[in-house]
Amino acid sequence: EPEVTQTPSHQVTQMGQEVILRCVPISNHLYFYWYRQILGQKVEFLVSFYNNEISEKSEIFDDQFSVERPDGSNFTLKIRSTKLEDSAMYFCASSSEQYFGPGTRLTVT
Amino acid sequence: GEDVEQSLFLSVREGDSSVINCTYTDSSSTYLYWYKQEPGAGLQLLTYIFSNMDMKQDQRLTVLLNKKDKHLSLRIADTQTGDSAIYFCAARGAGKLIFGQGTTLQVKP
Repeated sequence: EPEVTQTPSHQVTQMGQEVILRCVPISNHLYFYWYRQILGQKVEFLVSFYNNEISEKSEIFDDQFSVERPDGSNFTLKIRSTKLEDSAMYFCASSSEQYFGPGTRLTVT
Repeated sequence: GEDVEQSLFLSVREGDSSVINCTYTDSSSTYLYWYKQEPGAGLQLLTYIFSNMDMKQDQRLTVLLNKKDKHLSLRIADTQTGDSAIYFCAARGAGKLIFGQGTTLQVKP
């Protein structure tokens, strides 16, 4: 069964550093999403992406965040200058049925 | 705004049925989902139901939807210790998912 993959599984970074989280969605899916889950809290929508552009973004997705589909298979989330409060699990999802990847745990120190 | 609410904790004995409840506010939600999250793991899509259905059964899982009351439930028959996890309800309107806070299911042997 096809699945969404994410790398790395765990990323530790210092405050102010840039991070790039990577996702490989299920091939032939057209819609892609990023969500995050701060420890002990709800899963929150960040951004949706369709036809090589952002279709919707939440209030959380400010100018520090960007998404890209650089090569037709990878889907990346970049955080330009990480803050302590960016520490969370970041999930990529694919398609309207929302198949989720295993997540990347981001720890900002 | 849109919201999804779930009870936080449910404890059952192995072999019993578990019923996890969820309410949502957005009456335009088209699909409703149940996900399972085991410790340290990602979100596993268990099942989903389209808003024009009342019930969906998939092996040990039964989803009931009361659209009038905006109430969704997940019944797990013959609950096993391997079913111990956090179960998330999510509602989809125009693309993104709105998640509940998750119900921790504890299965006692």
